[in-house]
Amino acid sequence: QQQVKQSPQSLIVQKGGISIINCAYENTAFDYFPWYQQFPGKGPALLIAIRPDVSEKKEGRFTISFNKSAKQFSLHIMDSQPGDSATYFCAASSNSNSGYALNFGKGTSLLVTP
Amino acid sequence: DTAVSQTPKYLVTQMGNDKSIKCEQNLGHDTMYWYKQDSKKFLKIMFSYNNKELIINETVPNRFSPKSPDKAHLNLHINSLELGDSAVYFCASSKSGISYEQYFGPGTRLTVT
Repeated sequence: QQQVKQSPQSLIVQKGGISIINCAYENTAFDYFPWYQQFPGKGPALLIAIRPDVSEKKEGRFTISFNKSAKQFSLHIMDSQPGDSATYFCAASSNSNSGYALNFGKGTSLLVTP
Repeated sequence: DTAVSQTPKYLVTQMGNDKSIKCEQNLGHDTMYWYKQDSKKFLKIMFSYNNKELIINETVPNRFSPKSPDKAHLNLHINSLELGDSAVYFCASSKSGISYEQYFGPGTRLTVT
């Protein structure tokens, strides 16, 4: 059962544009929401993460927006660059009986064109 | 300095064989994980170990068994390999408590022929 739903599956953005990836979850016990960036042949790398006590977190060009009531969160990449072309995964986790395991979305393949 | 390392990077083997993948972390973390990434890039948790105790065991075949000799290592043993086991396997680690941040290794691409 997919606990975190991610969209879109793929995204093409022009250089300098804003990339937006959305995720939704059902389990209200989730209290940690990270985003990972994965380049081909590499492991996922932690990009930015948020907890539900804040509605937004910004780190450089990357911003997470979090809507607890809607159980949705999104990643915004400002001034997108060709080097941002990668697969992005949202995830959710909680300190529950299942430990700290990350429940991942299916990923978004981002292509930033020059 | 590599934070989370895995060996081998690539593993090609025949059906029915037994193989192991090794993972080591030098971050001082106390929890380690194994994830499987399928051909569609979907990442799914397989196991996690905290202080040498298995705290997650998802619905994976019992042909898969994690072994943790110490906090810095979590190896994955796979018996009687099947074609469907072909995937990329990632090791990850984190520090329990305040932060859930997980750091992933470079992955091991397993191909079963």
